[in-house]
Amino acid sequence: SQQGEEDPQALSIQEGENATMNCSYKTSINNLQWYRQNSGRGLVHLILIRSNEREKHSGRLRVTLDTSKKSSSLLITASRAADTASYFCATDDTGANSKLTFGKGITLSVRP
Amino acid sequence: GAVVSQHPSRVICKSGTSVKIECRSLDFQATTMFWYRQFPKKSLMLMATSNEGSKATYEQGVEKDKFLINHASLTLSTLTVTSAHPEDSSFYICSARDAYRVGGELFFGEGSRLTVL
Repeated sequence: SQQGEEDPQALSIQEGENATMNCSYKTSINNLQWYRQNSGRGLVHLILIRSNEREKHSGRLRVTLDTSKKSSSLLITASRAADTASYFCATDDTGANSKLTFGKGITLSVRP
Repeated sequence: GAVVSQHPSRVICKSGTSVKIECRSLDFQATTMFWYRQFPKKSLMLMATSNEGSKATYEQGVEKDKFLINHASLTLSTLTVTSAHPEDSSFYICSARDAYRVGGELFFGEGSRLTVL
């Protein structure tokens, strides 16, 4: 069943601008992860934030997590054309058989 | 970083035939692998969780006899689409967790695009 819901569904920005993508979820989680997928390829893990963390940075990526609102955001600063891809949030729930549940994804287009 | 190899990347088959897709963890051991299906411009749908040495756990609505999963070793899981039909055409992606890494992230294969004629 769908857990994460990203918004917006599609985002088009100019190179150099920042891109902010949001994700909401429904159940208790151990952690939330963001992945990137280039067209027709597998997914690449970007960043993981645990349920007891509020913010995390990795290079040009900044992730926040608000467990009270059950939401997360991914910020890509100083975007590049190469950042064009689909981005998915995934939640690792607290169930016994921990498995990731993916949202529908956000298509980011960065115009050169 | 951890690498997952998925093969074949593309396969075209006739309706009624069976197709096997392999997923290997190249530099780590994976007691659990996951098989996903992805439709165009859609999210990943978890099909089943493959457990080394035991039966796979299938998600609701996924036919066990249609999608056979075998996880015979700590580095290999296979998905066999039996008696394939055009509606089985899709992008299948496997992923794995490193059994000895504390983190929780998944490592994905590059996916296999199946086209059933």
